[in-house]
Amino acid sequence: EPEVTQTPSHQVTQMGQEVILRCVPISNHLYFYWYRQILGQKVEFLVSFYNNEISEKSEIFDDQFSVERPDGSNFTLKIRSTKLEDSAMYFCASEAGGLAQYFGPGTRLTVL
Amino acid sequence: SQQGEEDPQALSIQEGENATMNCSYKTSINNLQWYRQNSGRGLVHLILIRSNEREKHSGRLRVTLDTSKKSSSLLITASRAADTASYFCATDAGGGNKLTFGTGTQLKVEL
Repeated sequence: EPEVTQTPSHQVTQMGQEVILRCVPISNHLYFYWYRQILGQKVEFLVSFYNNEISEKSEIFDDQFSVERPDGSNFTLKIRSTKLEDSAMYFCASEAGGLAQYFGPGTRLTVL
Repeated sequence: SQQGEEDPQALSIQEGENATMNCSYKTSINNLQWYRQNSGRGLVHLILIRSNEREKHSGRLRVTLDTSKKSSSLLITASRAADTASYFCATDAGGGNKLTFGTGTQLKVEL
């Protein structure tokens, strides 16, 4: 069964460093998302991406964040200058247009 | 309450019993989805129910939706120890398909 994959599973970085989180959505899906979950808190929407552009973003998704679909398979989230409060589990999700969003296993980002 | 509030926050039952979790939300929705999350792991999609549907089944799962009360319930029948996880409802209120998640119900199924 096709699934969303994410790499790395765990990323440790120093405050102020740039990180890139990678996702490979399900191959025939058209809509892509990033969410995050701070430990013990709700899953929060960050950004949605369709037709090679951002379709919606949350207040969390400020200028430090960017997304890209550099080729036909990868979908990346970049954080330019990480802060301590960026520590969270980051989930990628994709959707075929049938409304059900399928999530990847997540990348645990730890900012020291 | 916030968009997507589940209750109870925690539920402990014996294997073989049924588990019912509830979700309430505040705004109109296009659909509501239920997810399972094992500790520290990813979100597994369980079931989607559209706003014009009232009930949906998938295996041992039964989901109901009452848009007049802005609430949904997830019933897991004949629970198993492997059902131990956190369960979240997520609403799609339209405009980009972003999901708004609830706080989750932690289900523990004991042998």
